[in-house]
Amino acid sequence: GQQVMQIPQYQHVQEGEDFTTYCNSSTTLSNIQWYKQRPGGHPVFLIQLVKSGEVKKQKRLTFQFGEAKKNSSLHITATQTTDVGTYFCAGPSNFGNEKLTFGTGTRLTIIP
Amino acid sequence: SQTIHQWPATLVQPVGSPLSLECTVEGTSNPNLYWYRQAAGRGLQLLFYSVGIGQISSEVPQNLSASRPQDRQFILSSKKLLLSDSGFYLCAWSLQGFYEQYFGPGTRLTVT
Repeated sequence: GQQVMQIPQYQHVQEGEDFTTYCNSSTTLSNIQWYKQRPGGHPVFLIQLVKSGEVKKQKRLTFQFGEAKKNSSLHITATQTTDVGTYFCAGPSNFGNEKLTFGTGTRLTIIP
Repeated sequence: SQTIHQWPATLVQPVGSPLSLECTVEGTSNPNLYWYRQAAGRGLQLLFYSVGIGQISSEVPQNLSASRPQDRQFILSSKKLLLSDSGFYLCAWSLQGFYEQYFGPGTRLTVT
């Protein structure tokens, strides 16, 4: 079946440093989404990418969809303590319905 | 605007007891509804998916069942809980034809 892997599994960074998480799918995706889950909280939708090579920015967050539409990345510039949490990518699991396969997640911790 | 409710927020149940978790969505009609389970520090496992009243798709064989008695109500049940049923249960919804999912606050279930 479809697999969506993320690396790294954990990342500890000093506040102010940059952070990147990578997402790789075993199958081509029609779109990819990113979610953030704060410690003790629920996943929150951040963004959806649809086009090959698409790049979108949200303040200090930059999201990219690979040319082959099988991988994606999330880059955070100058991390802040509010960035703490687990970041998940997710892609459609089957054509024709709206189920998602979530990635394994990257847990980000910030050292003040 | 749309909102999603889940209750209870936390639950401690003995092995062998029944379970009923409820999820309701407000502000939208005919949503897709999802039940996920998240083990501590792990990713999201899709348990059930529903596109309409009485229409339930089970994603993994397990000790749980789901029902959708009303358009915006989704219930997760078990007749007899197992220790392995412990986890963080999340309900989510999406619009028909769209992939973005919006999660409820979740229920932390501990089976003792």
